[in-house]
Amino acid sequence: GAVVSQHPSWVICKSGTSVKIECRSLDFQATTMFWYRQFPKQSLMLMATSNEGSKATYEQGVEKDKFLINHASLTLSTLTVTSAHPEDSSFYICSASRRLAKNIQYFGAGTRLSVL
Amino acid sequence: DAKTTQPNSMESNEEEPVHLPCNHSTISGTDYIHWYRQLPSQGPEYVIHGLTSNVNNRMASLAIAEDRKSSTLILHRATLRDAAVYYCILRDVANQGGKLIFGQGTELSVKP
Repeated sequence: GAVVSQHPSWVICKSGTSVKIECRSLDFQATTMFWYRQFPKQSLMLMATSNEGSKATYEQGVEKDKFLINHASLTLSTLTVTSAHPEDSSFYICSASRRLAKNIQYFGAGTRLSVL
Repeated sequence: DAKTTQPNSMESNEEEPVHLPCNHSTISGTDYIHWYRQLPSQGPEYVIHGLTSNVNNRMASLAIAEDRKSSTLILHRATLRDAAVYYCILRDVANQGGKLIFGQGTELSVKP
């Protein structure tokens, strides 16, 4: 079964609103989680590294004020797309690894965001 | 982490073996070779990884060239459910648990 859960799986919102996506590690603690974005027919692009209890580390070109990441507990990281616009429409995916099996990344099923 | 090169797409027939190549000529001695796959509209899933020796698991086999500059993911009997994008990724041993950088991958289609 899934070890990383994402919610919601699909969301539609109006332009200018904010959307929060949750990523949970179901049976393990994750001090680090990763957020990716994927546009149609393209590969995954790493957006940021979410660190429990500290600020996220953003990849170059990713606006930290637009994509707010909060990793308040060892099993939950959230990504909030603030003031969403149609160009933010994408497939957002999170991942995490178990502390004792760091070679394997477990990915959520993804969240498809459509901004009207 | 060093870069990998994969064919954009491959086709296979159901129940036949599939060999997915990956070139990584600039691999360093401490880079692990990882394979993930992404089924349509889903997040990626781990397939297999290795360092020097060939590896087998219930999903696939990984054949690593002696000079480690290339590797091949082997699906022994392709099924329709194996249609996915397969990503070959290098990650340094010091970066275990760290971020994965995805290339373009190989889109595998399986014909009945």
